[in-house]
Amino acid sequence: DADVTQTPRNRITKTGKRIMLECSQTKGHDRMYWYRQDPGLGLRLIYYSFDVKDINKGEISDGYSVSRQAQAKFSLSLESAIPNQTALYFCATSDPTGGNGANVLTFGAGSRLTVL
Amino acid sequence: QKEVEQDPGPLSVPEGAIVSLNCTYSNSAFQYFMWYRQYSRKGPELLMYTYSSGNKEDGRFTAQVDKSSKYISLFIRDSQPSDSATYLCAIFRTTGFQKLVFGTGTRLLVSP
Repeated sequence: DADVTQTPRNRITKTGKRIMLECSQTKGHDRMYWYRQDPGLGLRLIYYSFDVKDINKGEISDGYSVSRQAQAKFSLSLESAIPNQTALYFCATSDPTGGNGANVLTFGAGSRLTVL
Repeated sequence: QKEVEQDPGPLSVPEGAIVSLNCTYSNSAFQYFMWYRQYSRKGPELLMYTYSSGNKEDGRFTAQVDKSSKYISLFIRDSQPSDSATYLCAIFRTTGFQKLVFGTGTRLLVSP
């Protein structure tokens, strides 16, 4: 089984619909992240969480919300989806105590969202 | 100005070629330099990371950092079709406000 699992892998929805993307991890990491990836723009941070009670906005949080249900689960919601939220979304985890100091991320396989 | 710049490619090479992938960054506060590889329909996975200037080698891959020029490179020797992927550089700083910034990625195509 993958260390970081994202569901759904693909989703097509309509403008105005509420969408939830889910992420679960078996790494035992405290830190979890949501990124979106767009051609030409790379990976941009939406939200991050350093533990269950610590949730922070990233550089592009408008239009998104998150929930950290447990150490292993971190969900991303689009309350009212719009077409420019069409993108590839990645969940990631990291362990700052891993000893390397570099905050290496472990990514899920991605959730491709299309908003019509 | 973007904090890290990376040519999007695509870069097409024949099998066996030496590949050079590069990024430049603007802020000298960044201390860690990473390369991630992303295959189609997959998430990025870490290839290598370095902390200081100089070279770090791992098999066919060599990461090079020149902090004075704010320039990082990834070299791939004896490139294989299985190396065809998008390569993302990433820079990270731990002093002050911790920040991780990704390049946009360079798509590499290695033809048999």
